[in-house]
Amino acid sequence: EAQVTQNPRYLITVTGKKLTVTCSQNMNHEYMSWYRQDPGLGLRQIYYSMNVEVTDKGDVPEGYKVSRKEKRNFPLILESPSPNQTSLYFCASSLRGLGSYEQYFGPGTRLTVT
Amino acid sequence: AQSVTQPDIHITVSEGASLELRCNYSYGATPYLFWYVQSPGQGLQLLLKYFSGDTLVQGIKGFEAEFKRSQSSFNLRKPSVHWSDAAEYFCAVGLYNFNKFYFGSGTKLNVKP
Repeated sequence: EAQVTQNPRYLITVTGKKLTVTCSQNMNHEYMSWYRQDPGLGLRQIYYSMNVEVTDKGDVPEGYKVSRKEKRNFPLILESPSPNQTSLYFCASSLRGLGSYEQYFGPGTRLTVT
Repeated sequence: AQSVTQPDIHITVSEGASLELRCNYSYGATPYLFWYVQSPGQGLQLLLKYFSGDTLVQGIKGFEAEFKRSQSSFNLRKPSVHWSDAAEYFCAVGLYNFNKFYFGSGTKLNVKP
C-alpha cells in the first residue's frame, strides 16, 4: 500500500531534550516536506526536500533540522525543543516539487513539550 | 505578502443543503491550487486541484471548485452535503518557482441532521 508513515504518533517530552520524528514514504517520491499545524493558522511549511541531499527552508524553520540521506526517509530533528514547538506535525511527499504535484500526507505526530 | 485566506472559520449546513467554502490567494502569478480535507484525527486528503485549462474542476466525493482569476479565488462547492462531509477543509497554493506550499487556516464544516 502506498503510504507515508510517521513515528511516533504521540510524543510528550521536556524542554531541551533532543528528539527525532521519523518520516518514510514507499512511493519513490522525490519531494518531501514537513508541516506544523496549529489552531487558526492552518499548516505551515517547516522544511522541504527536492531530492536526496537537497533540502531548503520553508516558512517556519527556526528550531528544526532535517536531513535527506535516502530518498524514502526525511526525519525532522528538534535539537532543543521548547514549549512553542508543541504542535501537530505532518510529513508529506509528492512525485516532484515545483508546486504542481499532489502531496500525500502522513497521519501526523502530536508533540507536546513541557 | 503571500497569503491564502479562508474567511470562514466555521460553517454549519443542514444535510442535503448546498455548500460553498471560500478561498482567496494573494500572489503575483496564477499558482497551482488545491483543496484538501482533514477528517478528525486524520491526515489530509486531496479533494481536487487546478493547474490550468478549464476553470471548473471536479474532484472526489462530489466536490467541485471554480478558479476565478479576476477575484483571485478558488471556491469549493458541493450541491448536496452528506453528514460524512463534516471535517476541516484547507485551501492550498503551490508556487512553481519556489517549490513551496502555502495553506489557508482552514474551515471547519459541521453538518446538521
